[in-house]
Amino acid sequence: AQTVTQSQPEMSVQEAETVTLSCTYDTSESDYYLFWYKQPPSRQMILVIRQEAYKQQNATENRFSVNFQKAAKSFSLKISDSQLGDAAMYFCAYRSADYGGSQGNLIFGKGTKLSVKP
Amino acid sequence: DSGVTQTPKHLITATGQRVTLRCSPRSGDLSVYWYQQSLDQGLQFLIQYYNGEERAKGNILERFSAQQFPDLHSELNLSSLELGDSALYFCASSGRGWGGELFFGEGSRLTVL
Repeated sequence: AQTVTQSQPEMSVQEAETVTLSCTYDTSESDYYLFWYKQPPSRQMILVIRQEAYKQQNATENRFSVNFQKAAKSFSLKISDSQLGDAAMYFCAYRSADYGGSQGNLIFGKGTKLSVKP
Repeated sequence: DSGVTQTPKHLITATGQRVTLRCSPRSGDLSVYWYQQSLDQGLQFLIQYYNGEERAKGNILERFSAQQFPDLHSELNLSSLELGDSALYFCASSGRGWGGELFFGEGSRLTVL
């Protein structure tokens, strides 16, 4: 079974600085998706960024980028120029890529709570 | 707006009672997923339906059941409620060709007193 591990329960960053959140996963599959979801105090789940395992290029979305190391099974999220609105719980998630039918569920890590200091 | 609608948004009930949570997926999405998030915890997968059929089960209690109807909406039934069932229940949907992303509703917050 696949597992996702976030080893940092809490992180803190100064406004305008850069922070990196760590995520490792375990799988025997070769094709899958990785995601970072953000959950602000409103509790809504918001997709931050996605990475397809077959793509070697790291995904980037504005101030958010990932460092995807497939061999090491590592998927970290870098937030540049941190803003107060980035304060939230961040969840790393894994999903199998099943092109034959319905795709599997998302497997989440336990989350990292990010605080942003003004 | 994710396009996934969940009702009710908030629900307060007593131990031993039964409640039903409803989810309407995004238009055209065949897969529906239910997740439970207890206070300050991660999201635990409960169950998945695909086009009306149960596709995968996670850590779903026997007191809980779900179904997906022909119009693709889904209901999660929670019975013999206990204090520990208090949580945020998320529904999510997905379709093919969307890069694997799950689209989440805003959740139904259940409080059992």
